[in-house]
Amino acid sequence: KQEVTQIPAALSVPEGENLVLNCSFTDSAIYNLQWFRQDPGKGLTSLLLIQSSQREQTSGRLNASLDKSSGRSTLYIAASQPGDSATYLCAVRSYSGAGSYQLTFGKGTKLSVIP
Amino acid sequence: DTGVSQDPRHKITKRGQNVTFRCDPISEHNRLYWYRQTLGQGPEFLTYFQNEAQLEKSRLLSDRFSAERPKGSFSTLEIQRTEQGDSAMYLCASSLGVGPNTEAFFGQGTRLTVV
Repeated sequence: KQEVTQIPAALSVPEGENLVLNCSFTDSAIYNLQWFRQDPGKGLTSLLLIQSSQREQTSGRLNASLDKSSGRSTLYIAASQPGDSATYLCAVRSYSGAGSYQLTFGKGTKLSVIP
Repeated sequence: DTGVSQDPRHKITKRGQNVTFRCDPISEHNRLYWYRQTLGQGPEFLTYFQNEAQLEKSRLLSDRFSAERPKGSFSTLEIQRTEQGDSAMYLCASSLGVGPNTEAFFGQGTRLTVV
C-alpha cells in the first residue's frame, strides 16, 4: 500500500526566504506526482505535475523535483511571500488495482510566511 | 471553463438525516473522483467514475454512501443516515484521459458538519 509522508508538518519563515518542502513515498512505482496548495477551508489548487519520466518542473517561483528511485520529491519556493502561506500537499498516482490509478496524499506541510 | 464546481459549499445537518452533494467537472473531462478530507489529514479516495461507469470504490465508502454520474456529466454523492464521523470536507476532482498520466483538478469542496 502506497504511503506518502511530508516533512515538516509545519514551517514558519520570514518573508523573502527560500524554502524547501519534502515529500517521500514508499512505493516507487508511480506514474506521476502532483503538488497542491490548499488555503484554509478551501479546495486544492494544482501547482505542479511531474511525470515519472521527468526530474523536475518549474512554474514561476516554484520548482519541484522528483527522484523516483529513492521515493522523494521536493518543492522549492523562492523568495517567499506572505501570500504563499497555505498548506502544501503532495500526492502520487500509482496503480491501485482493477485497472485503476489513484492519488495518495500526504498530510501536508502548513507554511506560514511572516511579513 | 470555470473549473470543477461543487454545491453546496457548506452543509450543516442533524445526525440521521440524508444529504446529497453535487459536482460539475471540467467540461469534457471523462474522469471524476470523490475524496474525503478530515481536519489535519490529506484527502482520502472514495470513488471514481470514467464517464458514467463507477469503476472503483474505496473501503471507506460504506453502504450509507452512494455516488452516481448519470450521462457521464455531473455527479452526486449521497450520504444516508449521517453520523458525526461523516463530518469532513468532501472534494471532487476531474481529469481528462484514459491512462495514468493525467492531471487532477479539484473543486472547492463541500464542508459537511453533522450535529
